Amino acid sequence: QITLKESGPTLVKPTQTLTLTCTFSGFSLSTSAVLVGWIRQPPGKALEWLALIYWDDDKRYSPSLISRLTITKDTSKNQVVLTMTNMDPVDTATYYCAHRRSILTGFNYWGQGTLVTVSS
Amino acid sequence: DIVMTQSPLSLPVTPGEPASISCRSSQSLLHSDGYNYFDWYLQKPGQSPQLLIYSGSSRASGVPDRFSGSGSGTDFTLKISRVEAEDIGIYYCMQALQTPYTFGQGTKLEIK
Repeated sequence: QITLKESGPTLVKPTQTLTLTCTFSGFSLSTSAVLVGWIRQPPGKALEWLALIYWDDDKRYSPSLISRLTITKDTSKNQVVLTMTNMDPVDTATYYCAHRRSILTGFNYWGQGTLVTVSS
Repeated sequence: DIVMTQSPLSLPVTPGEPASISCRSSQSLLHSDGYNYFDWYLQKPGQSPQLLIYSGSSRASGVPDRFSGSGSGTDFTLKISRVEAEDIGIYYCMQALQTPYTFGQGTKLEIK
């Protein structure tokens, strides 16, 4: 059974750095073709893809956020960490991590999401 | 970036009736391997998104067979053969052919 859970601060101040951790179970991020992605959703708005990390440590980022994002994995801890620098109120959103068995097969497991509010 | 455009954005449906949602991409999602890198998701109220369809037409595990996906290249359709009350929520299409992955605006399905 695959599960993912996001954790991190619920409130950050503008200009601060956000660090979110996705802790997962039921799969290994060292298994060929597996990847984990981060997606966010501002309140009442559509989903926005942010970043993903592959089993072989290859990484991809949203071009509009690439200067602010870093994604890493700790295979031994079954965790994926996303950091976003220079937070702004427009970054207020629910942040999700999700599992993808391969590029072709969809994000088939999602975390419950964590709402991050950016406010002074 | 590949732009994904859904229609309609709002879809009132009577239970038991069929429903259809369209998604068009700004460039073909058909890879040279013969697969379309295209997913459909449903986000029920207050929940995380759930995968319905991947590769354009493959139903995800546990998804009722009243949901079907079709299309190739730039035009895709999600069909619900008979809408049930539990199907309400926002439906999103997403392309995974290239990063950045991009989502459609979402189609809100509501019961009449």
